[in-house]
Amino acid sequence: GAGVSQSPSNKVTEKGKDVELRCDPISGHTALYWYRQSLGQGLEFLIYFQGNSAPDKSGLPSDRFSAERTGGSVSTLTIQRTQQEDSAVYLCASSLSQNNSPLHFGNGTRLTVT
Amino acid sequence: QQQVKQSPQSLIVQKGGISIINCAYENTAFDYFPWYQQFPGKGPALLIAIRPDVSEKKEGRFTISFNKSAKQFSLHIMDSQPGDSATYFCAATDGGSQGNLIFGKGTKLSVKP
Repeated sequence: GAGVSQSPSNKVTEKGKDVELRCDPISGHTALYWYRQSLGQGLEFLIYFQGNSAPDKSGLPSDRFSAERTGGSVSTLTIQRTQQEDSAVYLCASSLSQNNSPLHFGNGTRLTVT
Repeated sequence: QQQVKQSPQSLIVQKGGISIINCAYENTAFDYFPWYQQFPGKGPALLIAIRPDVSEKKEGRFTISFNKSAKQFSLHIMDSQPGDSATYFCAATDGGSQGNLIFGKGTKLSVKP
């Protein structure tokens, strides 16, 4: 079946511009996660959704970052006024529930801020 | 308290050898310890996972060893193959509260033919 789909796969943007990253989770998965992976680093938790609500936004690095999820399905991560330090791979994952169900990751969006 | 420390950062093993990656944690509330495998350009994929009620779990050539008292767990890859070359992440969570995984920084494994 279809896995987690992320778009675009690559995004190059100029410093100061806003970007929107999209995630289509696996159908029926209620939990959705955004992680950031910088070169040579581990996965940094950004935000978690259960259905449409985000009980944990603790990982968002600044108020330039926001995310929403509509219809319990598609999620968008928005970065406003991008900075060079925002350059990273943004990974989305979904799971059947929040309680230790395996996370299924998409292939990520590679964001480059010039 | 929320960190998972992973070592080594990189590992080179000959084909047929044993690859060993170690992780340590501090939060005693963690109760689920998965390992993820990531190939270049792909997202991580669940490889194997363990809960603290067992000391070892084996799936094919992959084994997790868990030491609850030492708060350490490790991944052993037996008979390592070039196709195992990837980055491996350990993780931990106290899934009863938030469910978000805390990941180690990863180990880049290269298996030489």
